[in-house]
Amino acid sequence: KAGVTQTPRYLIKTRGQQVTLSCSPISGHRSVSWYQQTPGQGLQFLFEYFSETQRNKGNFPGRFSGRQFSNSRSEMNVSTLELGDSALYLCASSLATSADTQYFGPGTRLTVL
Amino acid sequence: ELKVEQNPLFLSMQEGKNYTIYCNYSTTSDRLYWYRQDPGKSLESLFVLLSNGAVKQEGRLMASLDTKARLSTLHITAAVHDLSATYFCAVDEDSNYQLIWGAGTKLIIKP
Repeated sequence: KAGVTQTPRYLIKTRGQQVTLSCSPISGHRSVSWYQQTPGQGLQFLFEYFSETQRNKGNFPGRFSGRQFSNSRSEMNVSTLELGDSALYLCASSLATSADTQYFGPGTRLTVL
Repeated sequence: ELKVEQNPLFLSMQEGKNYTIYCNYSTTSDRLYWYRQDPGKSLESLFVLLSNGAVKQEGRLMASLDTKARLSTLHITAAVHDLSATYFCAVDEDSNYQLIWGAGTKLIIKP
């Protein structure tokens, strides 16, 4: 079974730009969660999608948004990028809820200059 | 609000030694997970603990859960360099369908 894939793996943007990251979950998994990981803040939950609906949201500003498609693939978007958005963005998929065992993708390393 | 605390946050140890990482959480929960992250890599699930007294072991790692004390431990036996990684615990917040994560314990094992 193929694992969770994320594209792109690396991204460099400048302040003020926007970015879209993509995640393809493991086949059959319906829940997709997104996390931001930084050395200072650790692993922080962004949001979770299930059946094309956002089911949970972490404490991030509205510049961070996401969506899920009918095939469970998910995208997250960050608008008006700030330097502090530089981080590793991880996507994780699970069968039904994010409280099931989560399988993580390799991450997208975003650098904002 | 469920809070998850790990300690220590950083641990440097010699090969061959034993040590324990602790994960405390603040409210009742049905499930607790341990994950591992190698430097520059993503997270990998190690164990899921589902009930009081649950114990799981794989190789030199053993995890246990005491739901009454709201405490899980990850014990490392006769550490080897390959176990150097950051270890996270995560707890299921029952009504919210999401995991609450500890800050991670960075483990360095010196040859």
